[in-house]
Amino acid sequence: DAGVTQSPTHLIKTRGQQVTLRCSPKSGHDTVSWYQQALGQGPQFIFQYYEEEERQRGNFPDRFSGHQFPNYSSELNVNALLLGDSALYLCASSFWESGAFFGQGTRLTVV
Amino acid sequence: GEDVEQSLFLSVREGDSSVINCTYTDSSSTYLYWYKQEPGAGLQLLTYIFSNMDMKQDQRLTVLLNKKDKHLSLRIADTQTGDSAIYFCAETVNDYKLSFGAGTTVTVRA
Repeated sequence: DAGVTQSPTHLIKTRGQQVTLRCSPKSGHDTVSWYQQALGQGPQFIFQYYEEEERQRGNFPDRFSGHQFPNYSSELNVNALLLGDSALYLCASSFWESGAFFGQGTRLTVV
Repeated sequence: GEDVEQSLFLSVREGDSSVINCTYTDSSSTYLYWYKQEPGAGLQLLTYIFSNMDMKQDQRLTVLLNKKDKHLSLRIADTQTGDSAIYFCAETVNDYKLSFGAGTTVTVRA
C-alpha cells in the first residue's frame, strides 16, 4: 500500500497564475481533505470531499476549488495566486473512523 | 488553530519521558489525535483517542484525556533522538475537518 500520494512535490508559480495539485488516497479510503500549512503553523482545513461532493469547507476564498473523481482521487485548484498562498499543501484521506492519513505534501512557492 | 492550544517547545534528555500537553475548546469533539511532523515531511498519525475514553496506550505512547478540563496529553516513554520533531494535537467533530494546534517542537538532547 503506497499510502497517500501527492503530486507534484514542489512547484513554483508566478502571482496571478493558476495551479492544480493532485492527490491519490490510501487504498480503501473514500474521503479526501485538503489542508494548507504555512511555515511555522499548524495545518488549516480547506475542504473535504466525499462521494464526489464538497462536504465541508473551511474559511478559504472561492479561488480555492476542488474536485473528487470516481476513483476517490482529488484535485485542488487555486486561481489568481497571491504571494500569501505560498505554503505546504497537504492531502489527507480517511474512511469512516479510521483517522486521517496524510501525504507528504506539495510545497507551493508563489513569486 | 485558535481552538486548540499547545506549548511551543519542549527539550528532553534522551532516555527520559516526554509529556506534550494540549487544550481544546470544543466540548463536542469526538476524536482527538496526535500527529508527528519531521522537517520537510507530511504528518504521520501517531495515535488517536475517542472522547469517551480517558486513556490509551500504544507501545511507548500514552494518551491521557481529561474531558472535563478539555486537556489532552501525549507521553513518550524512553525518548529517542528519532523522536525529535513537531507534534500536533488535533480535534474533530464527527470525523470531518481536523482543527490543529500550532505544534510543539520536541528536541531530544544526548
